[in-house]
Parts: sequence; structure tokens; C-alpha cells
Amino acid sequence: QKEVEQDPGPLSVPEGAIVSLNCTYSNSAFQYFMWYRQYSRKGPELLMYTYSSGNKEDGRFTAQVDKSSKYISLFIRDSQPSDSATYLCAMSAGGNNRLAFGKGNQVVVIP
Amino acid sequence: SQTIHQWPATLVQPVGSPLSLECTVEGTSNPNLYWYRQAAGRGLQLLFYSVGIGQISSEVPQNLSASRPQDRQFILSSKKLLLSDSGFYLCAWSTGSYNSPLHFGNGTRLTVT
Repeated sequence: QKEVEQDPGPLSVPEGAIVSLNCTYSNSAFQYFMWYRQYSRKGPELLMYTYSSGNKEDGRFTAQVDKSSKYISLFIRDSQPSDSATYLCAMSAGGNNRLAFGKGNQVVVIP
Repeated sequence: SQTIHQWPATLVQPVGSPLSLECTVEGTSNPNLYWYRQAAGRGLQLLFYSVGIGQISSEVPQNLSASRPQDRQFILSSKKLLLSDSGFYLCAWSTGSYNSPLHFGNGTRLTVT
């Protein structure tokens, strides 16, 4: 079983729709969770950083962590064409040299 | 604010040639520094990380090496490139805090021909 599973997509949505992304993981020791956005030919950009279970909201972005189900989600409200990118989840049990990454989920927002 | 610079953005090198990719961070001191490789469909692979000048940890035995000659400078090198070294190389930094998130540069697309 892979440590972090993420559907690669692509996920196509119309502009204004809610984008829902998720990752599942197998290591119950993970407690730090991140979402990165990566545009084509660019490096990943940190979007959200959460600790343990619960929700975190930042503008149009909401990150959710359900440690009991080993499941994290990212929601993008009122999606824009500029949200078209690959979204990577990352997590660790501790120590920033021990990040486990998902393979990334490509999102396309259609105007 | 902190910024990270990586160069070159794109590089095409013949098999057997040497490699030197450079990364510098501005606006912070004593950062942790990382080199990752991103291959299509395979996610991000940690190659090296460094917690200080001259302190390098290698995660994957391979044809590459890393050095940190200055506090905010991280260099990825190879003496002789292989075809399998092609990929997207990313430098990243974090603060020295135990669980601070990583911040990535814009990467170098390396093609070995």
C-alpha cells in the first residue's frame, strides 16, 4: 500500500464550480498536512498547512483533515481559470525531511 | 520576505557531461535546504537535504551529489550525467523549526541526450 494516494485526474470543472480534491494515507503517525499548487513548468507553491484534524479556511480555499479516516481534502470555492494547476498533498509525522507527497491531481477550470 | 532562486530554468546536456545546478535563498538565515526530483507520474523524490554549511544527507544512492558552501547556497552536481538523470529538479527551503513547511523554487528542467 502506498503511503499517500492521490487521484491524478485530470479533473475538469466549469468556472464558478467547487473543486474537491482529496488524499488518503496509510501512516497513522502523520499529523502535519500541506497542500501545494503547481503551475506548469513551475515549482510547487504552498497553499495550506494544517496540524492534526479539523478545518482551515483561507479565502476561497478550505482544507480538511480527518485523521480517523486517514483522509484529507482541499476545497476551492468559486473556481477560476487561474486555479487550473496540479495540486499536491503532502504530510509528515514530524521532521521536514520526512514529507510524503501525493503524485498530484491536475485541475482544469473551464471558462 | 524570503525568496528562493534556482538556475538555470532549462538545461540540455549530453550523456557523460558534468552538471551543476545552483540554488540560493534570500531573506532568511540558517535555512534547511533540500533538493528534490519530480518525475512525471512518480511524484516528488527527496535527493538531499542540509541543515547547515557542509552538512549534507543523501536520501537516494545515485549519480548525484550536493554541496552547501555557504549558508544560503545549495548546489547539485554530477561528474557524468546518465540518461536516467533527466527530470525536473526542485530546490526547497524551510526554517529550522521542526515542522515548518517547505517552500520551493521554480525548478530546473534537465534533459540528458
